[in-house]
This record gives sequence, C-alpha cells and structure tokens, in this order.
Amino acid sequence: NAGVTQTPKFQVLKTGQSMTLQCAQDMNHNSMYWYRQDPGMGLRLIYYSASEGTTDKGEVPNGYNVSRLNKREFSLRLESAAPSQTSVYFCASSGGGTPYNEQFFGPGTRLTVL
Amino acid sequence: SQQGEEDPQALSIQEGENATMNCSYKTSINNLQWYRQNSGRGLVHLILIRSNEREKHSGRLRVTLDTSKKSSSLLITASRAADTASYFCAPGAGSYQLTFGKGTKLSVIP
Repeated sequence: NAGVTQTPKFQVLKTGQSMTLQCAQDMNHNSMYWYRQDPGMGLRLIYYSASEGTTDKGEVPNGYNVSRLNKREFSLRLESAAPSQTSVYFCASSGGGTPYNEQFFGPGTRLTVL
Repeated sequence: SQQGEEDPQALSIQEGENATMNCSYKTSINNLQWYRQNSGRGLVHLILIRSNEREKHSGRLRVTLDTSKKSSSLLITASRAADTASYFCAPGAGSYQLTFGKGTKLSVIP
C-alpha cells in the first residue's frame, strides 16, 4: 500500500497563477484533510472532508477551494496564488468514520509563490 | 478545535538518555494524540490516549494524561539518534479538526 500520496512534490508559481494539489489514499479511509505548515509553526487545517460528498472549512480556508472527487481523492486548488500561500502543504486521511482516529499524512508539497 | 501547546520548544540530549516533553491544553478532551515529524517529512502518528486513560505505553514511548491539569507528557526512553524530530500533540474534542501546536524539537546527539 502506498498510503497517502501527493503530487507534485515541489512547485513554483508566480503571483496570480492557479494550480491544483492532488492527494490520494489507498486505505479506504472516510475522512481526508489539507493542512499547511509554515516555518516554525504547527500545522493549520485548511479544509477537511469528513466523508465522501462533504467538505468543510478549517482554520485557514481563505484563498483555497477543495474537491472530494471520490473516496480516494481530495484535491486543493489555489485560484490566484499569493506570496502568503508559500508553504508546505500536507494531505492526511483517517478511517473509522469518527474524528477519534489517527491521521495518516502524505509526504507534502513544497509550494513557493513569487 | 483546540490547540495543544508543547513544552519545551527545543530539547537536546545525549543518545541513551530519556526525553520528556509536555503538552498543555485548555478545554475538555475526548482523546489526545502525539505525532512525530522528521525534518521535511509528513507527520507520523505515535500514540493515542483516551480521556479515561492515565497512561499508555508503546515500545519505548510512554504517554501520560492528567485531565485535571489538562496536560499530557510523552517520554521516550533510551533515546536514539533516529528519534531526532519534532513532536506534536493534538488534543481531540470530538471534532474532525485537529489543531497542532508548534511542537518540541528534539535533538539526540550520538
């Protein structure tokens, strides 16, 4: 099993460009998450999907959109990238259908917005 | 969701020593999780302790939870260089939103 995979691993954008970060999990998990991590900071939740067909805002949703394409895939879109969105983005998933489960993380996408 | 605050921010020990890091939180929880992050990698789940548990072990890890003090501690015994990482706690109150603090950066010197 690959676990949680993310593409791309690295990306450089210019201000105003758009892009989609892809995330997929092969653990048949119900819930998926997108976090960002800035230097010296903990992870902050951007959006999450408790189950297929639902998405909800987290702590820092502004400037982002998400799509839960199916049970396996959860994408994060930046419509008009800004330098403040330079960060490392992590996708995670958890199973069991409740919030009381461990989260499994992907390797991250390092995004730089110039 | 609520954020856990890890203490100390940084910890440096010799290989073979024990490492203790603490987590404090503000409101009632259902469970508390600890995660490890190696440099540049995603977080890895270490252990989950439920609010009705006081202590839990997993290999060289020992986690305690004191709900009256709203605090938890993670002890790593007989530390190894490979334990060098940042450690985060995540208090869970029944929400899907886990909030992570800034973590404790542990350096284990060979």
